[in-house]
Amino acid sequence: QQQVKQSPQSLIVQKGGISIINCAYENTAFDYFPWYQQFPGKGPALLIAIRPDVSEKKEGRFTISFNKSAKQFSLHIMDSQPGDSATYFCAATTRGGNQFYFGTGTSLTVIP
Amino acid sequence: GAVVSQHPSRVICKSGTSVKIECRSLDFQATTMFWYRQFPKQSLMLMATSNEGSKATYEQGVEKDKFLINHASLTLSTLTVTSAHPEDSSFYICSAASSIERYNEQFFGPGTRLTVL
Repeated sequence: QQQVKQSPQSLIVQKGGISIINCAYENTAFDYFPWYQQFPGKGPALLIAIRPDVSEKKEGRFTISFNKSAKQFSLHIMDSQPGDSATYFCAATTRGGNQFYFGTGTSLTVIP
Repeated sequence: GAVVSQHPSRVICKSGTSVKIECRSLDFQATTMFWYRQFPKQSLMLMATSNEGSKATYEQGVEKDKFLINHASLTLSTLTVTSAHPEDSSFYICSAASSIERYNEQFFGPGTRLTVL
């Protein structure tokens, strides 16, 4: 059973556009939601993370929006650049917990 | 900070041989390390959770005798793929957990590409 559902599976955006990736979860015990960026042949790297006590977190061009009542969170990449082309994974975990539950990933392609 | 290294980055071996992959946390102590397997264009599949000084906890369906994990210190965990076969060819990624504001953030290594001929 997939604990975290991610969509879309793939996304093509033009340079300068906004990339939006969505994730949903069921377990209300989850209270830490990181996003990872992975380039081909490399390990995932932490991009940005949010806790449910805030509805939005912004770091540069990357923003997480969090809707606790809907149990959904999304990653927005503003002014998308070709260098953002990568696979993005959302994840969820519990406070003090070790196991991370990953989404299935979104392959983002930003075309010039 | 929070750098995790893996060695080797790529390994090609013959069927039947064993391969050891090292995972090190370079600038922090990790009480817990994780081993993942990733197939092309797929998500990360957790294989096992490794705590320093104790036996690893394997996920369902992962053969503990085939994938031997040793977590000898707070900065080193190793995964040994024993009697490797072509179906073991995959991208293996480790991560190390570091407590950040009560949350155990995971920092990933760069991965090891294993090809079994």
